[in-house]
Amino acid sequence: DGGITQSPKYLFRKEGQNVTLSCEQNLNHDAMYWYRQDPGQGLRLIYYSQIVNDFQKGDIAEGYSVSREKKESFPLTVTSAQKNPTAFYLCASNRGAGEKLFFGSGTQLSVL
Amino acid sequence: GQQLNQSPQSMFIQEGEDVSMNCTSSSIFNTWLWYKQDPGEGPVLLIALYKAGELTSNGRLTAQFGITRKDSFLNISASIPSDVGIYFCAGQLDGGSQGNLIFGKGTKLSVKP
Repeated sequence: DGGITQSPKYLFRKEGQNVTLSCEQNLNHDAMYWYRQDPGQGLRLIYYSQIVNDFQKGDIAEGYSVSREKKESFPLTVTSAQKNPTAFYLCASNRGAGEKLFFGSGTQLSVL
Repeated sequence: GQQLNQSPQSMFIQEGEDVSMNCTSSSIFNTWLWYKQDPGEGPVLLIALYKAGELTSNGRLTAQFGITRKDSFLNISASIPSDVGIYFCAGQLDGGSQGNLIFGKGTKLSVKP
């Protein structure tokens, strides 16, 4: 089945630790995105990538980093600089600007 | 930043009732998307709208792209318990960059059997 796979489903971070969230898609989509969702809030864009080896900051990129070495993969690292990392993280992809956006099932990150 | 106002914030309805929710903005959009999210899961695309005035149905769901291009609504007819969830609108700004898909804060729907 084609789709977007996020792992792990649940992740715990200790103080001062970097953690990496995985996102893989087999939809052959060029563009991939990371969103953060807090309770009662809309989705906020962290980073996005339109093509391999290129990515742009979204509205809340501070404390996060990404890479796009392969078309299928867009991992997100939550660094120790992100002081409030507890949130539900959603990865998404589409064929390009204005196209339908499809989401993975999310990763819940919590701080120990 | 740009804002999408989604209303109502929450709804409690009886099974079988019709539901209506909408999103409005002061900005012009060239795409409207409606999603449903179950707890602990990613949003699932329900309907996509690409043209002002467009009216599109998906089963019991109907959505319209407003004529002014600044709003959209979603209707659910004859609600059933599995309609429970959070519904989000998302709009692509006219002339916006690819990453500029803006989301409403969601409408939480509860259905009483």
